Amino acid sequence: AQKVTQTQTSISVMEKTTVTMDCVYETQDSSYFLFWYKQTASGEIVFLIRQDSYKKENATVGHYSLNFQKPKSSIGLIITATQIEDSAVYFCAMREVYNTNTGKLTFGDGTVLTVKP
Amino acid sequence: EAAVTQSPRNKVAVTGGKVTLSCNQTNNHNNMYWYRQDTGHGLRLIHYSYGAGSTEKGDIPDGYKASRPSQENFSLILELATPSQTSVYFCASGRGLGNSDYTFGSGTRLLVI
Repeated sequence: AQKVTQTQTSISVMEKTTVTMDCVYETQDSSYFLFWYKQTASGEIVFLIRQDSYKKENATVGHYSLNFQKPKSSIGLIITATQIEDSAVYFCAMREVYNTNTGKLTFGDGTVLTVKP
Repeated sequence: EAAVTQSPRNKVAVTGGKVTLSCNQTNNHNNMYWYRQDTGHGLRLIHYSYGAGSTEKGDIPDGYKASRPSQENFSLILELATPSQTSVYFCASGRGLGNSDYTFGSGTRLLVI
């Protein structure tokens, strides 16, 4: 069964610095997709960025990028030049492609990011 | 604009009562999902659906039923609500396979007293 683990419960950083949030996953599939979502203080959950397991290049969207280390089953989220509004809960999630045909995402427990001025 | 709308936003229910949480999506997505979010547990899948008329059990289905009467609507039903079902419930829609992400609703905060 697939499993996603985020070991950092909370992180606090100063504004305009770079932060990395960790995520490790377990899967029997050879092909899978990894996602990061952000939950704001209002509770809204939005999709941020995705990594396809067969791609070697790390995905980048705006000031979000990923550090994909397939041999370590690790997918870190890097936020550069953090802003106050980046304060939120960040969830890592995974979808297997072949073993389960449900399209479901399995989520980690989340990391609370606080960006201080 | 395509969206996922949940109702109600907040609900207080009595133990043993029946609760129905509703979700409507205008994304024309085949798949819909119900998750609950509790402190320390992240998002856990309760039920999901591949399309109108289908419902499937997720990882924590006990105490819940689901109904998908149409492509747009997906309901979560608590026949006999218990205090342990106090939580925040999120509905999501998605194309299901591959690299497609979810669109989430705004959540329903349920308190069972």
